Amino acid sequence: TQLLEQSPQFLSIQEGENLTVYCNSSSVFSSLQWYRQEPGEGPVLLVTVVTGGEVKKLKRLTFQFGDARKDSSLHITAAQPGDTGLYLCAGRTQGAQKLVFGQGTRLTINP
Amino acid sequence: NAGVMQNPRHLVRRRGQEARLRCSPMKGHSHVYWYRQLPEEGLKFMVYLQKENIIDESGMPKERFSAEFPKEGPSILRIQQVVRGDSAAYFCASSPQQGRNTEAFFGQGTRLTVV
Repeated sequence: TQLLEQSPQFLSIQEGENLTVYCNSSSVFSSLQWYRQEPGEGPVLLVTVVTGGEVKKLKRLTFQFGDARKDSSLHITAAQPGDTGLYLCAGRTQGAQKLVFGQGTRLTINP
Repeated sequence: NAGVMQNPRHLVRRRGQEARLRCSPMKGHSHVYWYRQLPEEGLKFMVYLQKENIIDESGMPKERFSAEFPKEGPSILRIQQVVRGDSAAYFCASSPQQGRNTEAFFGQGTRLTVV
């Protein structure tokens, strides 16, 4: 079973559209991170959220941590082809030391 | 993530050989994680090490796989008697300390192909 469930697993949309990717769990996380990975490369950290209800913005990307710290979302406004990639959420449950990952959302933005 | 160095980037081994994957963490980082990724999948946790200690190896296969992070030198993930199913991308991440806000930074990975 996957501790972190991401949805959708695949998403293909047109340039200029908005989208939201979800990361859900039945467990409480002390912190949650979002990464973006391109083919042949390692994941690159985008953001870390630690407080329930926290919202962080990174240009056209908006990250939210659920009030109960069990879920998170990534919203992209006016998607661009350069946003194409594999988006991964990862987190540590309370008291745990290892960082666990969701299965990823593969996003394709078509020009 | 440019600070975490993994080598080699690509490794080809015949079935039955040994594979050694190396990871040099970012300067000042004393915690290392190893992950495995199959094509079109997310990252699966393998092992978490601190200098000279294995903290959590719950994701490591019971046989053929071992990891170390010596006081001096890089962390090593060792796979003995490789099989075709070991073919995957292996990623290392490092962090400076343990804590709920601690961020992990990844290397570019080693792509292992077993022929």
